[in-house]
Amino acid sequence: DSGVTQTPKHLITATGQRVTLRCSPRSGDLSVYWYQQSLDQGLQFLIQYYNGEERAKGNILERFSAQQFPDLHSELNLSSLELGDSALYFCASSPRDRLRYGYTFGSGTRLTVV
Amino acid sequence: LAKTTQPISMDSYEGQEVNITCSHNNIATNDYITWYQQFPSQGPRFIIQGYKTKVTNEVASLFIPADRKSSTLSLPRVSLSDTAVYYCLLSSNTGKLIFGQGTTLQVKP
Repeated sequence: DSGVTQTPKHLITATGQRVTLRCSPRSGDLSVYWYQQSLDQGLQFLIQYYNGEERAKGNILERFSAQQFPDLHSELNLSSLELGDSALYFCASSPRDRLRYGYTFGSGTRLTVV
Repeated sequence: LAKTTQPISMDSYEGQEVNITCSHNNIATNDYITWYQQFPSQGPRFIIQGYKTKVTNEVASLFIPADRKSSTLSLPRVSLSDTAVYYCLLSSNTGKLIFGQGTTLQVKP
Protein backbone atom coordinates (compact mmCIF):
# COMPACT_ATOMS: atom_id res chain seq x y z
CA ASP A 1 0.00 0.00 0.00
CA SER A 2 1.61 3.22 -1.21
CA GLY A 3 -0.57 5.45 0.95
CA VAL A 4 -2.31 6.99 -2.06
CA THR A 5 -5.82 5.59 -2.44
CA GLN A 6 -7.71 5.61 -5.70
CA THR A 7 -11.30 4.54 -6.18
CA PRO A 8 -12.81 2.81 -7.97
CA LYS A 9 -10.19 0.37 -9.25
CA HIS A 10 -12.20 -0.49 -12.33
CA LEU A 11 -14.92 1.38 -14.14
CA ILE A 12 -16.85 0.37 -17.24
CA THR A 13 -19.17 2.91 -18.79
CA ALA A 14 -20.75 3.82 -22.09
CA THR A 15 -19.80 6.54 -24.51
CA GLY A 16 -21.31 9.91 -23.70
CA GLN A 17 -21.43 9.23 -19.98
CA ARG A 18 -19.75 11.06 -17.13
CA VAL A 19 -17.61 9.50 -14.38
CA THR A 20 -15.76 10.71 -11.32
CA LEU A 21 -12.47 9.27 -10.16
CA ARG A 22 -11.39 9.83 -6.59
CA CYS A 23 -7.96 10.12 -5.02
CA SER A 24 -6.89 10.40 -1.41
CA PRO A 25 -3.27 11.53 -1.12
CA ARG A 26 -0.73 10.19 1.31
CA SER A 27 -1.15 11.68 4.76
CA GLY A 28 0.51 15.08 4.94
CA ASP A 29 1.01 15.50 1.19
CA LEU A 30 -0.45 18.73 -0.13
CA SER A 31 0.14 18.19 -3.85
CA VAL A 32 -1.97 15.92 -6.02
CA TYR A 33 -1.23 15.08 -9.64
CA TRP A 34 -3.36 13.25 -12.19
CA TYR A 35 -1.90 11.19 -15.02
CA GLN A 36 -3.49 9.27 -17.87
CA GLN A 37 -1.81 6.18 -19.28
CA SER A 38 -3.01 4.61 -22.48
CA LEU A 39 -1.21 2.05 -24.60
CA ASP A 40 -0.28 4.44 -27.37
CA GLN A 41 0.42 7.58 -25.32
CA GLY A 42 2.36 6.50 -22.28
CA LEU A 43 2.02 8.43 -19.03
CA GLN A 44 0.52 11.84 -19.75
CA PHE A 45 0.40 14.54 -17.11
CA LEU A 46 -3.09 16.01 -16.81
CA ILE A 47 -3.26 18.43 -13.91
CA GLN A 48 -1.73 19.34 -10.54
CA TYR A 49 -3.32 20.75 -7.39
CA TYR A 50 -1.59 22.12 -4.34
CA ASN A 51 -3.56 22.64 -1.16
CA GLY A 52 -6.80 23.16 -3.05
CA GLU A 53 -5.49 25.34 -5.84
CA GLU A 54 -4.71 24.40 -9.40
CA ARG A 55 -0.96 24.68 -9.99
CA ALA A 56 -0.25 23.27 -13.42
CA LYS A 57 -2.12 21.94 -16.41
CA GLY A 58 -0.92 19.43 -18.92
CA ASN A 59 -2.68 17.68 -21.75
CA ILE A 60 -6.08 17.75 -20.13
CA LEU A 61 -9.11 17.86 -22.41
CA GLU A 62 -11.85 20.44 -21.90
CA ARG A 63 -14.24 17.55 -21.20
CA PHE A 64 -12.13 16.71 -18.15
CA SER A 65 -11.99 18.70 -14.94
CA ALA A 66 -10.59 18.22 -11.49
CA GLN A 67 -10.65 19.72 -8.05
CA GLN A 68 -9.01 19.29 -4.68
CA PHE A 69 -11.14 19.59 -1.59
CA PRO A 70 -10.30 21.07 1.84
CA ASP A 71 -9.52 17.60 3.19
CA LEU A 72 -7.01 17.34 0.30
CA HIS A 73 -8.69 14.51 -1.56
CA SER A 74 -9.10 15.11 -5.25
CA GLU A 75 -11.61 14.15 -7.89
CA LEU A 76 -11.14 13.90 -11.64
CA ASN A 77 -14.34 14.32 -13.61
CA LEU A 78 -14.52 12.93 -17.12
CA SER A 79 -17.55 13.80 -19.22
CA SER A 80 -18.91 13.07 -22.70
CA LEU A 81 -16.75 9.99 -22.66
CA GLU A 82 -15.32 8.62 -25.88
CA LEU A 83 -13.80 5.24 -26.66
CA GLY A 84 -10.37 6.87 -26.73
CA ASP A 85 -10.68 7.88 -23.09
CA SER A 86 -10.24 4.26 -22.08
CA ALA A 87 -7.03 4.22 -20.07
CA LEU A 88 -5.46 3.85 -16.67
CA TYR A 89 -5.78 7.00 -14.61
CA PHE A 90 -3.19 7.48 -11.89
CA CYS A 91 -3.13 9.90 -9.04
CA ALA A 92 0.11 10.82 -7.30
CA SER A 93 0.90 12.94 -4.30
CA SER A 94 4.05 14.55 -3.02
CA PRO A 95 5.19 16.27 0.13
CA ARG A 96 6.55 19.81 0.24
CA ASP A 97 10.07 18.41 -0.07
CA ARG A 98 9.37 16.34 -3.17
CA LEU A 99 13.03 16.25 -4.09
CA ARG A 100 13.76 14.11 -1.08
CA TYR A 101 10.83 11.75 -1.19
CA GLY A 102 9.61 11.78 -4.77
CA TYR A 103 6.07 11.27 -5.89
CA THR A 104 3.91 8.45 -4.54
CA PHE A 105 1.51 6.96 -7.03
CA GLY A 106 -1.73 5.16 -6.37
CA SER A 107 -2.64 1.87 -8.00
CA GLY A 108 -4.83 3.58 -10.57
CA THR A 109 -8.36 3.44 -11.92
CA ARG A 110 -8.84 1.45 -15.08
CA LEU A 111 -11.53 3.12 -17.16
CA THR A 112 -13.12 1.22 -20.02
CA VAL A 113 -15.50 3.10 -22.29
CA VAL A 114 -17.71 0.85 -24.42
CA LEU B 1 10.84 21.36 -20.57
CA ALA B 2 14.11 19.52 -20.49
CA LYS B 3 13.89 16.10 -22.06
CA THR B 4 15.59 12.83 -21.42
CA THR B 5 16.60 10.11 -23.85
CA GLN B 6 16.96 6.46 -22.87
CA PRO B 7 16.96 3.15 -24.73
CA ILE B 8 13.51 1.81 -25.57
CA SER B 9 14.30 -1.71 -24.41
CA MET B 10 17.00 -3.88 -22.83
CA ASP B 11 17.38 -7.56 -22.17
CA SER B 12 19.30 -9.15 -19.35
CA TYR B 13 19.63 -12.44 -17.50
CA GLU B 14 19.03 -13.22 -13.88
CA GLY B 15 21.99 -12.44 -11.65
CA GLN B 16 23.54 -9.90 -14.00
CA GLU B 17 24.12 -6.24 -13.30
CA VAL B 18 22.04 -3.96 -15.50
CA ASN B 19 23.03 -0.42 -16.39
CA ILE B 20 20.51 1.88 -18.04
CA THR B 21 21.90 5.14 -19.35
CA CYS B 22 19.90 8.30 -19.76
CA SER B 23 20.90 11.44 -21.68
CA HIS B 24 19.77 14.88 -20.56
CA ASN B 25 21.91 17.41 -22.42
CA ASN B 26 19.75 20.39 -21.45
CA ILE B 27 19.54 19.72 -17.73
CA ALA B 28 18.98 22.85 -15.69
CA THR B 29 20.95 23.85 -12.62
CA ASN B 30 18.04 23.14 -10.29
CA ASP B 31 17.07 19.82 -11.88
CA TYR B 32 17.55 16.54 -10.09
CA ILE B 33 17.71 13.21 -11.89
CA THR B 34 15.01 10.82 -10.81
CA TRP B 35 14.25 7.22 -11.73
CA TYR B 36 10.94 5.43 -11.44
CA GLN B 37 9.99 1.80 -11.99
CA GLN B 38 6.61 0.69 -13.30
CA PHE B 39 5.12 -2.79 -13.44
CA PRO B 40 2.16 -3.51 -15.76
CA SER B 41 -1.10 -2.01 -14.52
CA GLN B 42 0.58 -0.47 -11.47
CA GLY B 43 1.56 3.09 -10.67
CA PRO B 44 5.20 4.12 -11.07
CA ARG B 45 7.37 3.66 -8.01
CA PHE B 46 10.21 5.98 -7.00
CA ILE B 47 13.57 4.21 -7.13
CA ILE B 48 16.34 6.73 -6.67
CA GLN B 49 17.24 10.35 -7.16
CA GLY B 50 20.46 12.33 -7.33
CA TYR B 51 22.06 15.63 -8.25
CA LYS B 52 25.68 14.72 -8.93
CA THR B 53 28.31 12.02 -8.35
CA LYS B 54 26.96 8.76 -6.98
CA VAL B 55 23.89 7.84 -4.97
CA THR B 56 23.18 4.37 -3.62
CA ASN B 57 20.21 2.91 -1.82
CA GLU B 58 19.02 -0.59 -1.04
CA VAL B 59 17.79 -1.29 -4.58
CA ALA B 60 19.96 0.68 -7.01
CA SER B 61 22.85 3.03 -7.63
CA LEU B 62 22.81 6.19 -9.67
CA PHE B 63 25.95 7.49 -11.32
CA ILE B 64 26.07 11.09 -12.50
CA PRO B 65 29.19 12.55 -14.17
CA ALA B 66 30.44 16.02 -13.40
CA ASP B 67 28.77 17.64 -16.44
CA ARG B 68 25.41 16.06 -15.46
CA LYS B 69 24.47 15.59 -19.12
CA SER B 70 23.84 11.90 -18.58
CA SER B 71 23.20 9.44 -15.79
CA THR B 72 23.28 5.69 -15.32
CA LEU B 73 20.93 3.63 -13.23
CA SER B 74 22.61 0.46 -12.02
CA LEU B 75 20.60 -2.53 -10.83
CA PRO B 76 22.80 -5.16 -9.18
CA ARG B 77 22.06 -8.85 -9.72
CA VAL B 78 18.65 -8.51 -11.33
CA SER B 79 15.93 -11.10 -10.90
CA LEU B 80 12.85 -11.92 -12.96
CA SER B 81 10.83 -9.59 -10.74
CA ASP B 82 12.89 -6.64 -11.97
CA THR B 83 11.23 -6.94 -15.37
CA ALA B 84 9.52 -3.56 -15.69
CA VAL B 85 9.64 -0.18 -17.39
CA TYR B 86 12.22 2.23 -16.00
CA TYR B 87 11.76 5.96 -16.43
CA CYS B 88 14.46 8.60 -16.21
CA LEU B 89 13.11 12.06 -15.40
CA LEU B 90 14.34 15.49 -14.45
CA SER B 91 12.61 17.03 -11.46
CA SER B 92 12.80 20.17 -9.42
CA ASN B 93 10.97 21.35 -6.35
CA THR B 94 8.60 23.41 -8.47
CA GLY B 95 8.08 21.44 -11.66
CA LYS B 96 5.78 18.57 -12.49
CA LEU B 97 7.09 15.18 -13.54
CA ILE B 98 7.03 14.56 -17.27
CA PHE B 99 7.45 10.94 -18.24
CA GLY B 100 9.05 9.82 -21.48
CA GLN B 101 8.66 6.41 -23.03
CA GLY B 102 10.98 4.73 -20.57
CA THR B 103 13.15 1.64 -20.96
CA THR B 104 11.46 -1.74 -20.94
CA LEU B 105 13.78 -4.13 -19.15
CA GLN B 106 13.20 -7.82 -19.77
CA VAL B 107 15.02 -10.15 -17.40
CA LYS B 108 15.32 -13.70 -18.66
CA PRO B 109 15.97 -16.86 -16.64
